[in-house]
Amino acid sequence: EIVMTQSPATLSVSPGERATLSCRASQSISSNLAWYQQKPGQAPRLLIYGASTRATGIPARFSGSGSGTEFTLTISSLQSEDFAVYYCQQFNDWPPRYTFGQGTKLEIK
Amino acid sequence: EVQLVESGGGLLKPGGSLRLSCAASGFTFSNAWMSWVRQAPGKGLEWIGRIKTETDGGTTDYAAPVKGRFTISRDDSKNTLFLQMNSLKIEDTAVYYCTTVGVMGATYFDYWGQGTLVTVSS
Repeated sequence: EIVMTQSPATLSVSPGERATLSCRASQSISSNLAWYQQKPGQAPRLLIYGASTRATGIPARFSGSGSGTEFTLTISSLQSEDFAVYYCQQFNDWPPRYTFGQGTKLEIK
Repeated sequence: EVQLVESGGGLLKPGGSLRLSCAASGFTFSNAWMSWVRQAPGKGLEWIGRIKTETDGGTTDYAAPVKGRFTISRDDSKNTLFLQMNSLKIEDTAVYYCTTVGVMGATYFDYWGQGTLVTVSS
């Protein structure tokens, strides 16, 4: 089973600054990596799929990179609405399994 | 606009059964692979299972913790996804989300419902 590990668990950043969130897979997952944002009391929202493709309607300040086992979500200039929990998620095709990381809480510094 | 609306959650005792529904609109439901993802209170996200379109065989895949207890089905005539949950355990307590599976390789979940809470308690 592939394990996804996100770091840090909590990240404190000031509005306007850059935030960098990391996700590591226990074995290579090619580019089968997605990122989600979840705010309190809301459903998750897809931000990035295929490691680097922004989902429909996602602002350009969100970018994803990486392949294999190391992935990064970068938010270039934090807005107030960006403070939330972020999850990475991988897909393994045999047997079909989707696995999430434990999340990174992005909080206001 | 894509909408997914879950219903059927509630409070029940260990060993009980429950069926969740997810009403879909705003897209061609019969063309979409669908999935269920859950989130225990204060915890992270956990994939439960998925169902392919009838065109792709209508087959299902499940995560290990629910395999043999949960069943995903769909009624394309009613644009509705179902999750039948049997032999429920306390650890099944969670908000259950209905999602669409992304068309680009089926490796992600692009639309999510608001979730329905299932509480299993003695």
